[in-house]
Amino acid sequence: QVQLVESGGGVVRPGRSLRLSCAASGFNFRSYAMHWVRQAPGKGLEWVAVISYDGNNKYYADSVKGRFTISRDNSKNTLFLQINSLTLEDTAVYYCATSGGNYFNCFDPWGQGTLVTVSS
Amino acid sequence: DIVLTQSPDSLAVSLGGTATINCKSSQSVLHSSNNKNSLAWYQQKPGQGPKLLISWASTRESGVPDRFSGSGSGTDFSLTISSLQAEDVAVYYCQQYYNSWTFGQGTKVEIK
Repeated sequence: QVQLVESGGGVVRPGRSLRLSCAASGFNFRSYAMHWVRQAPGKGLEWVAVISYDGNNKYYADSVKGRFTISRDNSKNTLFLQINSLTLEDTAVYYCATSGGNYFNCFDPWGQGTLVTVSS
Repeated sequence: DIVLTQSPDSLAVSLGGTATINCKSSQSVLHSSNNKNSLAWYQQKPGQGPKLLISWASTRESGVPDRFSGSGSGTDFSLTISSLQAEDVAVYYCQQYYNSWTFGQGTKVEIK
């Protein structure tokens, strides 16, 4: 079945870096745009970044531009999010999701998320 | 950015009752080219990722019970849950995908 599984979260110090991964299965990953969305504890959903099916186009939320980098390896059906210069405000569950063959579509499915906790 | 405002923030409904959640957009999300609204509804249960319920404002996803329905156009939308079941307790979010992607703040649905 269609599945997205995130990994790579953990407890990190402010200013450090972290790379999150999202393993996809059950669908034609290399044909689909992929997104990262985050959710701070007890808060709502915030879109973070999107990458085109071929990795050539990437867009970011203003709140993360310059610190986050989205990438993908279509040979391994895996999506990545590199997070640099972590701040306390980056503490959140990070979800990957797909919008299918079109950027401007809703997200289905989503992964179960991976928790990033930034703490000194 | 398009801002989505949901109301209410939370509501308690009796089992078998009807829950209605509203979502107001700061600008229209209606495509004049195809008369479709780029508005989705998601359900999120504790410890889980969101689940897509409704796309294009009123298209129920496969496998979603028909007690869930979406309506509205332009800037005003609603999600209605009829005959509320215990398993419907969750937080519900609207999302626009007309211009970038933004979410409403969420509405928590509980059993009265």
